[in-house]
Amino acid sequence: GQSLEQPSEVTAVEGAIVQINCTYQTSGFYGLSWYQQHDGGAPTFLSYNALDGLEETGRFSSFLSRSDSYGYLLLQELQMKDSASYFCAAYSGSARQLTFGSGTQLTVLP
Amino acid sequence: DAEITQSPRHKITETGRQVTLACHQTWNHNNMFWYRQDLGHGLRLIHYSYGVQDTNKGEVSDGYSVSRSNTEDLPLTLESAASSQTSVYFCASSEQDSDTQYFGPGTRLTVL
Repeated sequence: GQSLEQPSEVTAVEGAIVQINCTYQTSGFYGLSWYQQHDGGAPTFLSYNALDGLEETGRFSSFLSRSDSYGYLLLQELQMKDSASYFCAAYSGSARQLTFGSGTQLTVLP
Repeated sequence: DAEITQSPRHKITETGRQVTLACHQTWNHNNMFWYRQDLGHGLRLIHYSYGVQDTNKGEVSDGYSVSRSNTEDLPLTLESAASSQTSVYFCASSEQDSDTQYFGPGTRLTVL
């Protein structure tokens, strides 16, 4: 089956940098996505890595190592509004489905 | 602006009743998905569709059904609601062969 592991909680202070790791076990892997979800809200797409390496989008960057079945989301210059849950999701399988990790609750402290 | 909507936003029902949750998107996306979200489980795929008349089972499809009669809508039906189906349900859509899914606002369903 498909499975993704990520830490359940991370805490950091405003202005800091935080890294949320994700390891995955999937068959037919195409790429790794990251989604953000604020309390009670809809998940929103942040990034997608199909190839090894770092993708940067403003304060957020995402990394993938296919050989290590590992990726991470890097958030820089943390702001209070970054407090949310972050999900990694593997895009895989013959049907190209998304399988989500259980999510990491990020708390940004003042 | 194009969007994806779900209705109702909140629903309370009784065990054994049939319930249908609506999902409507105006992006003209081929792909539509239904997920449920429970504490500690992230989002789990219930059913998905890659076009009109196409439906497929996901990871947790037992007790649920979908139909796709047009591009815009993918209603989710709980044939006989059970307390274990109390959850938040999210609908999503994406373009064909796209890795990016756009989620609706969710429906909070309580089965008593």
